[in-house]
Amino acid sequence: EDKVVQSPLSLVVHEGDTVTLNCSYEVTNFRSLLWYKQEKKAPTFLFMLTSSGIEKKSGRLSSILDKKELSSILNITATQTGDSAIYLCAVDTSYDKVIFGPGTSLSVIP
Amino acid sequence: GAGVSQTPSNKVTEKGKYVELRCDPISGHTALYWYRQSLGQGPEFLIYFQGTGAADDSGLPNDRFFAVRPEGSVSTLKIQRTERGDSAVYLCASSRTKGLREGGSYNEQFFGPGTRLTVL
Repeated sequence: EDKVVQSPLSLVVHEGDTVTLNCSYEVTNFRSLLWYKQEKKAPTFLFMLTSSGIEKKSGRLSSILDKKELSSILNITATQTGDSAIYLCAVDTSYDKVIFGPGTSLSVIP
Repeated sequence: GAGVSQTPSNKVTEKGKYVELRCDPISGHTALYWYRQSLGQGPEFLIYFQGTGAADDSGLPNDRFFAVRPEGSVSTLKIQRTERGDSAVYLCASSRTKGLREGGSYNEQFFGPGTRLTVL
């Protein structure tokens, strides 16, 4: 059965800290790995990764995929309180299905 | 332009009742997805529409759940004989793709705000 696992499930850090969120997957017909940020209800798209070793970057957020290890990390540097959210990792498959992990709940305290 | 909208935002019902949850996708988006998200979990795939037809309904948990999209735009998720275990946030998403099977990369799914269903 296809699955996506994330760790840690929750994390509390202080403003200014750097955090690394982990995602691993076991799926058939992998097409791409996705990261979403969820505040309140609707997830918002952060990154799509298809190739190993190529870092995607957006401001203080960056992510990289390791297809050999079937994993990805999401890094957030110089965290701010506005980064507090649930970070979802998901895998898009060629069966038109997106499988989400359980999410990492990040709390950034002043 | 307007994003994905869902109504109602909250629905409280009693066990055994029938509920309908509505999703208005972004205009022009042909693909529509329904997910269910329970507390502390990621969204769980339920069903995917390509146009009017359900391309994949393998995520529907049982025959009490049904979804339609008769004109290829608005979709309704219907739950019969609700049970307490159905309580969750139901998320809808749409994307502009004509079909991921046609190749190319992932077409971003835009999510609605969800409907929080509580079954008492």
